[in-house]
Amino acid sequence: EDQVTQSPEALRLQEGESSSLNCSYTVSGLRGLFWYRQDPGKGPEFLFTLYSAGEEKEKERLKATLTKKESFLHITAPKPEDSATYLCAVHPFPGFQKLVFGTGTRLLVSP
Amino acid sequence: SAVISQKPSRDICQRGTSLTIQCQVDSQVTMMFWYRQQPGQSLTLIATANQGSEATYESGFVIDKFPISRPNLTFSTLTVSNMSPEDSSIYLCSVPRRGTDSYNEQFFGPGTRLTVL
Repeated sequence: EDQVTQSPEALRLQEGESSSLNCSYTVSGLRGLFWYRQDPGKGPEFLFTLYSAGEEKEKERLKATLTKKESFLHITAPKPEDSATYLCAVHPFPGFQKLVFGTGTRLLVSP
Repeated sequence: SAVISQKPSRDICQRGTSLTIQCQVDSQVTMMFWYRQQPGQSLTLIATANQGSEATYESGFVIDKFPISRPNLTFSTLTVSNMSPEDSSIYLCSVPRRGTDSYNEQFFGPGTRLTVL
């Protein structure tokens, strides 16, 4: 069964303290892996798509990387406005299968 | 990316009643998706709504409980019927990125937060 596990469940950082969030996945095949940011009371906001091992994507203080078993979301010198829940989802194959989401990592960045 | 709106943004309902949630997209899309996000849980796909055909429901979700309409390429509704407190969740609609296949990158609406008393 396709599965996505995110860790840690919650992470508290001081402003400027870099860290990484983990997304481990088990799928028969991977069409794509997605990262989303979700603020309280809002829908998920799309951040990145990764398709193959070794691929990296960057946006401001965020960098996403992908291996054959997991993805990392690196946050460099975070600011309080980076506080949110970060969701990971995989798009398995074969065939046209639904996305499988993890439960997310709640990030709190204190000033 | 598409601009997606949902109504209502939140509601508090009594047990046994029904609520219809609307989802409006600013561009024409073939497929729309409805998700449920229960507290502390991951997003769960309820159904896929194609214009002009019956919605396809995932295991554990049935049409009598979650009827869906898709009258045109920019609009869909999800009804939560005969509600119980277990239906308290955030309900989200989403659409795939234009030009991608059905379940690829998805963009989400702001969600409807439902509380059932």
